[in-house]
Amino acid sequence: SAVISQKPSRDICQRGTSLTIQCQVDSQVTMMFWYRQQPGQSLTLIATANQGSEATYESGFVIDKFPISRPNLTFSTLTVSNMSPEDSSIYLCSALLGGSNQPQHFGDGTRLSIL
Amino acid sequence: AQSVSQHNHHVILSEAASLELGCNYSYGGTVNLFWYVQYPGQHLQLLLKYFSGDPLVKGIKGFEAEFIKSKFSFNLRKPSVQWSDTAEYFCAVNSNTGGFKTIFGAGTRLFVKA
Repeated sequence: SAVISQKPSRDICQRGTSLTIQCQVDSQVTMMFWYRQQPGQSLTLIATANQGSEATYESGFVIDKFPISRPNLTFSTLTVSNMSPEDSSIYLCSALLGGSNQPQHFGDGTRLSIL
Repeated sequence: AQSVSQHNHHVILSEAASLELGCNYSYGGTVNLFWYVQYPGQHLQLLLKYFSGDPLVKGIKGFEAEFIKSKFSFNLRKPSVQWSDTAEYFCAVNSNTGGFKTIFGAGTRLFVKA
């Protein structure tokens, strides 16, 4: 099992600004991911955070908009850049401790509102 | 394209009623299947999983799910729901050959009336 701490838990931001979300896992993990959950919708994978190298982004997501860092095995950040109201969402950090047949663990999420 | 479909977006049941939530997937290769639950104000947590063996999987809190390969389905069931089962339920799939990327269904909001 793993405990995933995300901060901030929520924020209200102005249009055009950027916010960095931090994710800390209490044990060493195989993989770390960032998801977005827009109101009334499911989880959409933004990217896989790779340790020491550039993240792997899913279709529709780009590094300039969502830069991700993962300096070590247990910590990652996601920045939401140049925010617009369409970026209002819950952003979730997730970690995998074993192979793909193991469940992912999730943080509590960051609820982001853009004015 | 890989996808997961959950048939019901909102379900309302009375306590003691039986529950079945549908999940179908479109995914090549050998799959791993999961049901996650998100209780109000809490983070996602695993309800049960299937990756091999007995296709009838039992999870926490009396939930079970059956993998039917020919139907590409992994439906979630519970014989008698409780008010505390009120939550959102997500079906999720990944593949041993598809790396570690997990795809989630749209979710089903279950409300159980006391």
